[in-house]
Amino acid sequence: EVQLVESGGGLVQPGGSLRLSCAASGFTFSNYWVTWVRQSPGKGLECVASINQDGSEKQYLDSVKGRFTVSRDNARNSLYLQMSSLRAEDSALYYCTRGHPFGSYWGQGTLVTVSS
Amino acid sequence: QYVLTQPPSASATPGQRVPISCSGSSSNIGSYIVNWYQQLPGTAPKLLIYDSDQRPSGVPDRFSGSKSGASASLAISGLQSEDEADYYCAAWDDSLHNWVFGGGTRVTVL
Repeated sequence: EVQLVESGGGLVQPGGSLRLSCAASGFTFSNYWVTWVRQSPGKGLECVASINQDGSEKQYLDSVKGRFTVSRDNARNSLYLQMSSLRAEDSALYYCTRGHPFGSYWGQGTLVTVSS
Repeated sequence: QYVLTQPPSASATPGQRVPISCSGSSSNIGSYIVNWYQQLPGTAPKLLIYDSDQRPSGVPDRFSGSKSGASASLAISGLQSEDEADYYCAAWDDSLHNWVFGGGTRVTVL
């Protein structure tokens, strides 16, 4: 059974940093693109960052470029999102999703709240 | 506000057919496939349709997708109470170099 389990969310002050993790199981992690998608009441669903199978290709939402970094560790079947210079508008539920096709499986999400 | 445009709501009685539209442009739906997702209350989205008209295994054939030009449509036939959910379309966008979503359509079973 395919499983994606996110962790690392929490309350952080504006300008702060947070690192999200996603543990994958039930499939050959290294064969798939994986993506962080966030959902907030104000902005709906947004594709935040994607990374290809070996980590050599990455894509980012324009509003997070230069602040967020996506990475993966295929040996640990894990996906990461390092978030810095966080803003209030980054507050959302962050999901880890698998590709092929895009969004074929989703985790339960981890909540990030940016507030003072 | 959203790159892909969906009606905010749709409703019908049990057994009826509900169509949901998703309008885009030549940089997204006009050039690429469309995926549809179902999000039940309090849960993560679930892939419902991929490649514009394909159903993943386990998705009932009551759900169907189509695409024409820069627009796509999801249809739910034989509507059931458990179909009450939010439905989102998504497509790759060449201008933004990213996947983009519609704002979602909330389906209510009357």
